[in-house]
Amino acid sequence: DAGITQSPRHKVTETGTPVTLRCHQTENHRYMYWYRQDPGHGLRLIHYSYGVKDTDKGEVSDGYSVSRSKTEDFLLTLESATSSQTSVYFCAISPRTSGMTDTQYFGPGTRLTVL
Amino acid sequence: DQQVKQNSPSLSVQEGRISILNCDYTNSMFDYFLWYKKYPAEGPTFLISISSIKDKNEDGRFTVFLNKSAKHLSLHIVPSQPGDSAVYFCAASFKGGSEKLVFGKGTKLTVNP
Repeated sequence: DAGITQSPRHKVTETGTPVTLRCHQTENHRYMYWYRQDPGHGLRLIHYSYGVKDTDKGEVSDGYSVSRSKTEDFLLTLESATSSQTSVYFCAISPRTSGMTDTQYFGPGTRLTVL
Repeated sequence: DQQVKQNSPSLSVQEGRISILNCDYTNSMFDYFLWYKKYPAEGPTFLISISSIKDKNEDGRFTVFLNKSAKHLSLHIVPSQPGDSAVYFCAASFKGGSEKLVFGKGTKLTVNP
């Protein structure tokens, strides 16, 4: 299994508070991704990174920001959490060594509840 | 606009029988397809993939078939086992080696003993 950890694994917070989720990898993969999974929606891409300090938006990026200061860490921040951001968040990594599509490997997920 | 569709939210089969999970896509620019399996409270795990230059890829009990003209792919599991009970996601990426995957909504497979 790819070495991916997410922290925290569970978090309950209140509306309006800032929240930061962390993804840590030990594979030295170039690409890292944040997804959210919601019933009836499958997996939707929030943001992704293609290198240190290089990030781009996904399809549901509003209300989220990301940062990647080291290859191994990718942070997802909710500046002011809302109830609509209650979800399960998954981090994924990909080597992208060949320029072709590479498989993405997922972390265990973070269950976030915004009250 | 949903580009990858898994029209069956759930599927139930008997142990030992074949499970067939279906996926349709609308964008002809997709050229690489993957299946992921997800157990409750765990992250998705990669199962099998297929490039558009092939129409079949097999790995043990799992076979993926691709019909480009119909924009349809299917995952066959033979024989099905209770441990195969999970949510299965179909995903696609664009020609030229895209860094992004587009996922379907998933199909929950239940294999009954």
